[in-house]
Amino acid sequence: NAGVTQTPKFQVLKTGQSMTLQCAQDMNHEYMSWYRQDPGMGLRLIHYSVGAGITDQGEVPNGYNVSRSTTEDFPLRLLSAAPSQTSVYFCASSYSNSAPLYNEQFFGPGTRLTVL
Amino acid sequence: GDSVTQMEGPVTLSEEAFLTINCTYTATGYPSLFWYVQYPGEGLQLLLKATKADDKGSNKGFEATYRKETTSFHLEKGSVQVSDSAVYFCALSDWNRDDKIIFGKGTRLHILP
Repeated sequence: NAGVTQTPKFQVLKTGQSMTLQCAQDMNHEYMSWYRQDPGMGLRLIHYSVGAGITDQGEVPNGYNVSRSTTEDFPLRLLSAAPSQTSVYFCASSYSNSAPLYNEQFFGPGTRLTVL
Repeated sequence: GDSVTQMEGPVTLSEEAFLTINCTYTATGYPSLFWYVQYPGEGLQLLLKATKADDKGSNKGFEATYRKETTSFHLEKGSVQVSDSAVYFCALSDWNRDDKIIFGKGTRLHILP
């Protein structure tokens, strides 16, 4: 199993550009989520999905869109990049968030995004 | 709402020292509790977890006990190594209440040889 994969690893954007961060998992996990990690702020939840076709907002959703057309993929779209979106982005998945035995989250390696 | 509070870092220790990283939580339901570790340049990975009161999670010499009476889940290790240098996150998942996992802000640990 490849686990959770993210592409690209690094990206530099100019203000106003749009792009999609890719996330895929091959563990047949129902639950997927996107976090951003900023110094001194820990991890903040952007969007999450409890299954294909279902998405919901997290703590900091503004400026980001997601979709979940398949169980495997959960892309994160930046609509019009801003310097405040400079961060490290992590995708994570788990079998289920509703059963204690199975709700370990598996994280991807991250995407480091810089917006100039 | 639910929340996790952990001690601020950085924490700097010498090799073979005893480690404690404090974590307390607020939750109205029956959360599962986790410690995740992030090594430099990597994503987070699960270190240990506990799913009910008085459970003890353990892994790689680290331990944490789910204390409902003090709403705590402190991480301990008896003898740290340089390779334990990382950022440690306490987290909770209140699975009976909603679909979110809540993370603390992380504690950076430096171990000196």
